[in-house]
Amino acid sequence: DTEVTQTPKHLVMGMTNKKSLKCEQHMGHRAMYWYKQKAKKPPELMFVYSYEKLSINESVPSRFSPECPNSSLLNLHLHALQPEDSALYLCASSQEPMTGRAFFGQGTRLTVV
Amino acid sequence: GENVEQHPSTLSVQEGDSAVIKCTYSDSASNYFPWYKQELGKGPQLIIDIRSNVGEKKDQRIAVTLNKTAKHFSLHITETQPEDSAVYFCAARRYSTLTFGKGTMLLVSP
Repeated sequence: DTEVTQTPKHLVMGMTNKKSLKCEQHMGHRAMYWYKQKAKKPPELMFVYSYEKLSINESVPSRFSPECPNSSLLNLHLHALQPEDSALYLCASSQEPMTGRAFFGQGTRLTVV
Repeated sequence: GENVEQHPSTLSVQEGDSAVIKCTYSDSASNYFPWYKQELGKGPQLIIDIRSNVGEKKDQRIAVTLNKTAKHFSLHITETQPEDSAVYFCAARRYSTLTFGKGTMLLVSP
Protein backbone atom coordinates (compact mmCIF):
# COMPACT_ATOMS: atom_id res chain seq x y z
CA ASP A 1 0.00 0.00 0.00
CA THR A 2 1.55 3.28 -1.12
CA GLU A 3 -1.42 5.53 -0.47
CA VAL A 4 -1.28 9.12 0.65
CA THR A 5 -4.78 10.51 1.23
CA GLN A 6 -5.55 14.21 0.95
CA THR A 7 -8.74 16.00 1.86
CA PRO A 8 -10.57 17.87 0.58
CA LYS A 9 -10.10 17.21 -3.15
CA HIS A 10 -11.37 20.68 -4.03
CA LEU A 11 -11.57 23.86 -1.95
CA VAL A 12 -12.81 27.34 -2.77
CA MET A 13 -12.08 30.01 -0.20
CA GLY A 14 -12.29 33.75 0.13
CA MET A 15 -9.31 35.91 0.94
CA THR A 16 -10.49 36.43 4.51
CA ASN A 17 -11.25 32.78 5.21
CA LYS A 18 -9.29 30.30 7.30
CA LYS A 19 -9.16 26.72 6.05
CA SER A 20 -7.02 23.63 6.47
CA LEU A 21 -5.76 20.95 4.12
CA LYS A 22 -5.24 17.47 5.50
CA CYS A 23 -2.91 14.65 4.54
CA GLU A 24 -2.70 11.15 5.95
CA GLN A 25 -0.45 8.15 5.36
CA HIS A 26 -0.27 4.78 7.10
CA MET A 27 2.95 3.48 5.59
CA GLY A 28 5.04 4.28 8.65
CA HIS A 29 6.87 6.98 6.74
CA ARG A 30 8.79 9.44 8.89
CA ALA A 31 9.14 12.24 6.35
CA MET A 32 6.21 14.24 4.97
CA TYR A 33 6.15 17.07 2.48
CA TRP A 34 3.94 19.83 1.13
CA TYR A 35 4.31 20.87 -2.50
CA LYS A 36 2.55 23.54 -4.53
CA GLN A 37 1.89 22.98 -8.23
CA LYS A 38 0.66 25.65 -10.62
CA ALA A 39 -0.88 24.70 -13.96
CA LYS A 40 1.63 23.32 -16.49
CA LYS A 41 4.47 23.61 -13.95
CA PRO A 42 6.37 21.08 -11.84
CA PRO A 43 5.69 20.65 -8.12
CA GLU A 44 7.57 23.13 -5.93
CA LEU A 45 8.63 22.16 -2.42
CA MET A 46 7.09 24.19 0.40
CA PHE A 47 7.80 22.31 3.64
CA VAL A 48 9.55 19.16 4.85
CA TYR A 49 8.72 17.42 8.12
CA SER A 50 11.20 14.91 9.44
CA TYR A 51 10.15 12.81 12.44
CA GLU A 52 7.29 15.23 13.07
CA LYS A 53 9.57 18.25 13.20
CA LEU A 54 9.72 20.96 10.57
CA SER A 55 13.12 20.64 8.92
CA ILE A 56 12.74 22.72 5.76
CA ASN A 57 10.66 25.81 5.02
CA GLU A 58 11.33 27.01 1.48
CA SER A 59 10.70 30.67 2.38
CA VAL A 60 6.95 30.15 2.26
CA PRO A 61 4.78 33.17 3.31
CA SER A 62 3.38 32.97 6.83
CA ARG A 63 -0.19 32.80 5.50
CA PHE A 64 0.66 29.09 5.01
CA SER A 65 1.17 27.32 8.33
CA PRO A 66 2.09 23.63 8.42
CA GLU A 67 1.44 21.29 11.31
CA CYS A 68 2.35 17.67 11.95
CA PRO A 69 0.17 16.39 14.84
CA ASN A 70 1.61 12.85 14.64
CA SER A 71 3.65 10.64 12.36
CA SER A 72 0.66 9.84 10.12
CA LEU A 73 -0.91 13.26 9.72
CA LEU A 74 0.12 16.50 8.08
CA ASN A 75 -1.97 19.66 7.93
CA LEU A 76 -1.58 22.91 6.06
CA HIS A 77 -3.45 25.83 7.62
CA LEU A 78 -4.41 28.62 5.27
CA HIS A 79 -5.23 32.19 6.24
CA ALA A 80 -5.59 35.44 4.29
CA LEU A 81 -4.59 33.87 1.00
CA GLN A 82 -4.31 35.72 -2.29
CA PRO A 83 -5.78 34.72 -5.67
CA GLU A 84 -2.26 33.88 -6.88
CA ASP A 85 -2.14 31.15 -4.21
CA SER A 86 -4.68 29.18 -6.23
CA ALA A 87 -2.95 25.91 -7.19
CA LEU A 88 -2.85 22.17 -6.65
CA TYR A 89 -1.42 21.43 -3.21
CA LEU A 90 0.29 18.07 -3.01
CA CYS A 91 1.29 16.08 0.02
CA ALA A 92 3.98 13.41 -0.18
CA SER A 93 5.70 11.03 2.19
CA SER A 94 8.83 8.90 2.23
CA GLN A 95 10.34 6.33 4.57
CA GLU A 96 13.10 8.71 5.62
CA PRO A 97 13.79 12.33 4.63
CA MET A 98 17.00 11.61 2.77
CA THR A 99 16.34 8.12 1.49
CA GLY A 100 13.41 6.15 0.20
CA ARG A 101 10.81 6.73 -2.43
CA ALA A 102 8.41 9.67 -2.18
CA PHE A 103 4.75 8.92 -2.81
CA PHE A 104 2.28 11.67 -3.59
CA GLY A 105 -1.36 12.12 -2.78
CA GLN A 106 -3.93 13.19 -5.35
CA GLY A 107 -3.75 16.78 -4.22
CA THR A 108 -6.20 19.48 -3.15
CA ARG A 109 -7.26 21.86 -5.90
CA LEU A 110 -7.43 25.24 -4.15
CA THR A 111 -9.15 28.27 -5.63
CA VAL A 112 -8.90 31.61 -3.82
CA VAL A 113 -11.60 34.10 -4.75
CA GLY B 1 20.73 24.63 -5.23
CA GLU B 2 19.97 21.90 -7.71
CA ASN B 3 18.80 22.69 -11.25
CA VAL B 4 17.14 20.02 -13.41
CA GLU B 5 16.65 20.53 -17.15
CA GLN B 6 14.20 18.27 -19.01
CA HIS B 7 13.68 17.76 -22.75
CA PRO B 8 11.60 17.68 -24.82
CA SER B 9 8.67 19.64 -23.40
CA THR B 10 6.26 17.80 -25.72
CA LEU B 11 6.66 14.42 -27.39
CA SER B 12 4.18 12.89 -29.83
CA VAL B 13 4.55 9.26 -30.88
CA GLN B 14 2.48 6.59 -32.57
CA GLU B 15 1.28 3.64 -30.56
CA GLY B 16 3.99 0.98 -30.48
CA ASP B 17 6.84 3.43 -30.94
CA SER B 18 9.48 4.13 -28.31
CA ALA B 19 9.70 7.38 -26.35
CA VAL B 20 12.79 8.88 -24.74
CA ILE B 21 12.86 11.78 -22.29
CA LYS B 22 16.16 13.28 -21.16
CA CYS B 23 17.17 15.20 -18.05
CA THR B 24 20.34 16.83 -16.80
CA TYR B 25 21.15 17.92 -13.27
CA SER B 26 23.69 20.34 -11.91
CA ASP B 27 24.62 19.23 -8.38
CA SER B 28 26.97 16.27 -8.03
CA ALA B 29 25.60 15.77 -4.48
CA SER B 30 22.29 14.54 -5.94
CA ASN B 31 22.12 10.78 -5.54
CA TYR B 32 18.61 9.64 -6.35
CA PHE B 33 16.62 10.17 -9.54
CA PRO B 34 12.91 9.27 -9.70
CA TRP B 35 10.50 9.62 -12.58
CA TYR B 36 6.85 10.51 -12.07
CA LYS B 37 3.84 10.24 -14.35
CA GLN B 38 1.06 12.75 -13.79
CA GLU B 39 -2.32 12.37 -15.41
CA LEU B 40 -4.75 15.25 -15.64
CA GLY B 41 -6.28 16.10 -12.28
CA LYS B 42 -4.15 13.57 -10.38
CA GLY B 43 -1.06 13.61 -8.24
CA PRO B 44 2.35 12.48 -9.54
CA GLN B 45 2.76 8.70 -9.61
CA LEU B 46 6.22 7.20 -9.13
CA ILE B 47 6.94 4.92 -12.09
CA ILE B 48 10.65 4.14 -11.78
CA ASP B 49 13.70 5.41 -9.95
CA ILE B 50 17.46 4.95 -9.96
CA ARG B 51 20.18 5.56 -7.41
CA SER B 52 23.55 7.06 -8.18
CA ASN B 53 25.42 3.78 -7.75
CA VAL B 54 23.43 2.14 -10.57
CA GLY B 55 23.74 2.83 -14.31
CA GLU B 56 20.54 1.31 -15.62
CA LYS B 57 17.27 -0.09 -14.35
CA LYS B 58 14.39 -1.70 -16.20
CA ASP B 59 10.80 -2.50 -15.27
CA GLN B 60 8.83 -4.13 -18.07
CA ARG B 61 8.40 -1.45 -20.80
CA ILE B 62 10.11 1.28 -18.81
CA ALA B 63 13.84 1.78 -18.32
CA VAL B 64 16.00 4.51 -16.86
CA THR B 65 19.69 5.15 -17.52
CA LEU B 66 22.04 7.33 -15.51
CA ASN B 67 25.39 8.83 -16.52
CA LYS B 68 26.87 10.33 -13.35
CA THR B 69 29.91 11.74 -15.09
CA ALA B 70 27.82 13.69 -17.56
CA LYS B 71 25.09 14.35 -14.96
CA HIS B 72 22.28 13.19 -17.15
CA PHE B 73 19.59 10.53 -16.94
CA SER B 74 16.92 9.34 -19.34
CA LEU B 75 13.56 7.58 -19.35
CA HIS B 76 12.87 5.06 -22.09
CA ILE B 77 9.37 3.73 -22.75
CA THR B 78 9.05 0.97 -25.33
CA GLU B 79 5.90 -0.23 -27.13
CA THR B 80 4.00 2.89 -26.11
CA GLN B 81 0.26 2.66 -25.53
CA PRO B 82 -2.41 5.39 -25.50
CA GLU B 83 -2.65 5.05 -21.72
CA ASP B 84 0.99 6.16 -21.48
CA SER B 85 -0.20 9.65 -22.47
CA ALA B 86 0.51 11.96 -19.53
CA VAL B 87 3.02 14.50 -18.25
CA TYR B 88 6.28 12.93 -17.11
CA PHE B 89 8.57 14.63 -14.59
CA CYS B 90 12.14 13.73 -13.81
CA ALA B 91 13.57 14.73 -10.45
CA ALA B 92 16.86 14.76 -8.58
CA ARG B 93 17.23 14.46 -4.83
CA ARG B 94 19.92 16.34 -2.95
CA TYR B 95 19.76 15.50 0.77
CA SER B 96 16.02 15.68 1.61
CA THR B 97 14.98 17.94 -1.28
CA LEU B 98 13.52 16.75 -4.58
CA THR B 99 13.94 19.15 -7.50
CA PHE B 100 11.77 18.51 -10.53
CA GLY B 101 12.32 19.11 -14.21
CA LYS B 102 9.70 21.16 -16.05
CA GLY B 103 7.92 18.11 -17.41
CA THR B 104 7.31 16.41 -20.75
CA MET B 105 3.83 15.99 -22.15
CA LEU B 106 3.78 12.61 -23.91
CA LEU B 107 1.01 12.07 -26.44
CA VAL B 108 0.57 8.54 -27.80
CA SER B 109 -1.73 8.34 -30.82
CA PRO B 110 -3.59 5.09 -31.59
